[in-house]
Amino acid sequence: DIQMTQSPSTLSASVGDRVTITCRASQSISSWLAWYQQKPGKAPNLLIYKASTLQSGVPSRFSGSGSGTEFTLTISSLQPDDFATYYCQQYESNSCRFGQGTKLEIK
Amino acid sequence: EVQLLEFGGDLVQPGGSLRLSCAASGFTFSSYAMTWVRQVPGKGLEWVSLISAGSSTYYANSVKGRFTISRDDSKSTLYLQMNRLRAEDTGVYYCAKGPSWQWLVLDSWGQGTLVTVSS
Repeated sequence: DIQMTQSPSTLSASVGDRVTITCRASQSISSWLAWYQQKPGKAPNLLIYKASTLQSGVPSRFSGSGSGTEFTLTISSLQPDDFATYYCQQYESNSCRFGQGTKLEIK
Repeated sequence: EVQLLEFGGDLVQPGGSLRLSCAASGFTFSSYAMTWVRQVPGKGLEWVSLISAGSSTYYANSVKGRFTISRDDSKSTLYLQMNRLRAEDTGVYYCAKGPSWQWLVLDSWGQGTLVTVSS
């Protein structure tokens, strides 16, 4: 099974900061990677798919990059609404696996 | 607007059974694959099961042989029959859908229903 490892587990940052979250796959997954944002008590929300394609309606301050085994989610200028937990997801035709999550906290 | 509404979460004893439902609206349900994802409160996300538009089914190893996913397209409803429940099956269960071109890019989610397995 493919394992997905996110780092860091927790990230403290301030409004206006540029932040990057990393997701590593235990084997190559090409570009079959998505990113989700989840706020407490809510369902996850899709941000990015195919490693770098922004989901409709998601602000352009979010961006994704990478291929193979290493991927990043970048938020160019943190807004108050961005403090949440972020998950990467490896997907294939009939199964998927999530990373353990990165909690983005206010510094 | 896509809406997914889960029902059926409850407190159940280990070894017991439960059936979850997910009522869908706002899209042509029969044309889309549907997925169940669960989350232990305060923990991460775990994919549970997938059913294609043609009713092919797929399961995570942790639930294979115990859970059964199904759909009733006439009612636009997704189901998850959970048998031989264990404490580690406790969590919030979400139903979700993706676009027709990639089943597991999950662009719509329900609000979740809580399953607690405990004696």
